[in-house]
Amino acid sequence: GNSVTQMEGPVTLSEEAFLTINCTYTATGYPSLFWYVQYPGEGLQLLLKATKADDKGSNKGFEATYRKETTSFHLEKGSVQVSDSAVYFCALSPLYNFNKFYFGSGTKLNVKP
Amino acid sequence: NAGVTQTPKFQVLKTGQSMTLQCAQDMNHNSMYWYRQDPGMGLRLIYYSASEGTTDKGEVPNGYNVSRLNKREFSLRLESAAPSQTSVYFCASREGTESFGSGTRLTVV
Repeated sequence: GNSVTQMEGPVTLSEEAFLTINCTYTATGYPSLFWYVQYPGEGLQLLLKATKADDKGSNKGFEATYRKETTSFHLEKGSVQVSDSAVYFCALSPLYNFNKFYFGSGTKLNVKP
Repeated sequence: NAGVTQTPKFQVLKTGQSMTLQCAQDMNHNSMYWYRQDPGMGLRLIYYSASEGTTDKGEVPNGYNVSRLNKREFSLRLESAAPSQTSVYFCASREGTESFGSGTRLTVV
């Protein structure tokens, strides 16, 4: 079946620290992979995506590379800001049905000044 | 540009009561979705509608019904609410890009 596993949080970092949030997946075939961000009291927003192996998605300083060999899509940012504090969700959309998204459990990031 | 609008934002129900969560989008998207979000479990798909006039079950459809009233509106109905349906509900629409509503926090007592 399809599933997404994320590292548990919360993750607490100081401003300007390097961020990695791990995400691995199980899927049939080659799904599309996504990272979403949720700020307090709001819905999810698409942060970045990758649709095939070795693709790198990037946005707002965040990056993630679709690694088929390790079935991973880890989120990274070189220098986090307080404004990056949020919950981050990794998700996949199967090749055979783009309407069915499968989300990880979310990782809360706290960035301290 | 409102995007995806959900109503109500908060609701408390007694066990056995019914209610309908409303969702409307103004982006002319074909696909619409209802998710529930529970602590430590991410989002789980309840139902989706790939286009006007069609609906399909997602991962956790039991206890819910949906109606795709027209291209703009996709409602979620709880016929007999149960405490297990206490959750935050999100509506979303998608056509290339995806947009989420701000959520409905539902408590069933």
